[in-house]
Amino acid sequence: ETGVTQTPRHLVMGMTNKKSLKCEQHLGHNAMYWYKQSAKKPLELMFVYNFKEQTENNSVPSRFSPECPNSSHLFLHLHTLQPEDSALYLCASSQEGGTSYGYTFGSGTRLTVV
Amino acid sequence: KNEVEQSPQNLTAQEGEFITINCSYSVGISALHWLQQHPGGGIVSLFMLSSGKKKHGRLIATINIQEKHSSLHITASHPRDSAVYICAVRKSGGGADGLTFGKGTHLIIQP
Repeated sequence: ETGVTQTPRHLVMGMTNKKSLKCEQHLGHNAMYWYKQSAKKPLELMFVYNFKEQTENNSVPSRFSPECPNSSHLFLHLHTLQPEDSALYLCASSQEGGTSYGYTFGSGTRLTVV
Repeated sequence: KNEVEQSPQNLTAQEGEFITINCSYSVGISALHWLQQHPGGGIVSLFMLSSGKKKHGRLIATINIQEKHSSLHITASHPRDSAVYICAVRKSGGGADGLTFGKGTHLIIQP
């Protein structure tokens, strides 16, 4: 365990379904991120939350909706996805500011849209 | 052109060989990460560098800020080192703005 926990590890959903991915960190970090990793492509930043405020939305379609209720939890709500959204979704957290900087990834959720 | 370029894309070597993976970037950075990803997807941070050289066990990472280049070396490679190695940079400017990634190097160490 890295200290960043993602659930579920695997998810298969239909294009009309609504599901949510969950990320939890107990590292005391103040920033959390969603990344997408598609086959044959580099990891892509989707969303950044810094002190619970969304600071970046990297041109992500509205069918992906993030939520950060507190500095330890991050959700990615999914609805009416397309098959091309099938990918590995990774959560990460980091400590920004001060004298330390750490960056930790979760194990990812493997999403298949059918 | 990607802001972070890695080479080689694929590398197969025999157990015991010395391995070098290269990373070049074209933007100003505040830090560079070397990451390891095993099948199944989880990513582990190996090193974070802003200058010089770091060593952890059989792994060595170096960075040359002037040349915008970093290398990851594995000494006495072992089959358990087989994984995808990813270079990622944190662009300068401060704040939580995410990382920019290379495409990764797929390393296979054969017994």
